[in-house]
Amino acid sequence: DQQVKQNSPSLSVQEGRISILNCDYTNSMFDYFLWYKKYPAEGPTFLISISSIKDKNEDGRFTVFLNKSAKHLSLHIVPSQPGDSAVYFCAASDNAGGTSYGKLTFGQGTILTVHP
Amino acid sequence: GAVVSQHPSWVICKSGTSVKIECRSLDFQATTMFWYRQFPKQSLMLMATSNEGSKATYEQGVEKDKFLINHASLTLSTLTVTSAHPEDSSFYICSASQDGTRDGRRQETQYFGPGTRLLVL
Repeated sequence: DQQVKQNSPSLSVQEGRISILNCDYTNSMFDYFLWYKKYPAEGPTFLISISSIKDKNEDGRFTVFLNKSAKHLSLHIVPSQPGDSAVYFCAASDNAGGTSYGKLTFGQGTILTVHP
Repeated sequence: GAVVSQHPSWVICKSGTSVKIECRSLDFQATTMFWYRQFPKQSLMLMATSNEGSKATYEQGVEKDKFLINHASLTLSTLTVTSAHPEDSSFYICSASQDGTRDGRRQETQYFGPGTRLLVL
């Protein structure tokens, strides 16, 4: 059962334009969402996160939007740069406590390619 | 801040030998560390959750006698792949959890190490 889904395996964007990466989840207990960027043969790098009590969080060129009713979040990168080319994973956690506290559930990842 | 290191970055070993991978949080104390495995073109698969001073919690399907985890201090966790076989060849990644407060709520954010590439011949 895939609780976090990234339905687009890849995305290609022109430099300077906006990149929008999407993520859907099914578990209503998730209350904290994170985006990670990963290069091949490296560990994921934390980018940005959002709590379920907010619907938007912004950090420089990166903005994450959360639509709780639709169980959907998205990462916007503006403007996109060639160095942004990587695999982007969304992840969700249930920080309410219990045995699942702090554990992340990852999506399958989306390969972003930004063309010069 | 929030730097996590892993050692070694890659290892090649013969079938039947044991391999130890270290995960360290360099600039913060991590009560909880996690071990993941990533197969080619797939997402990260959580293997186990490691809490300092207690036994690790393994995910379903992960053999605890094969993947020994020790979390001796708040900055160090080790994963030992015992009697490694070619099917254990993979990319192993650890993460360390840093507690924090975001939007007025306690949240944990995981910071990942660079990963260890294991090849068992």
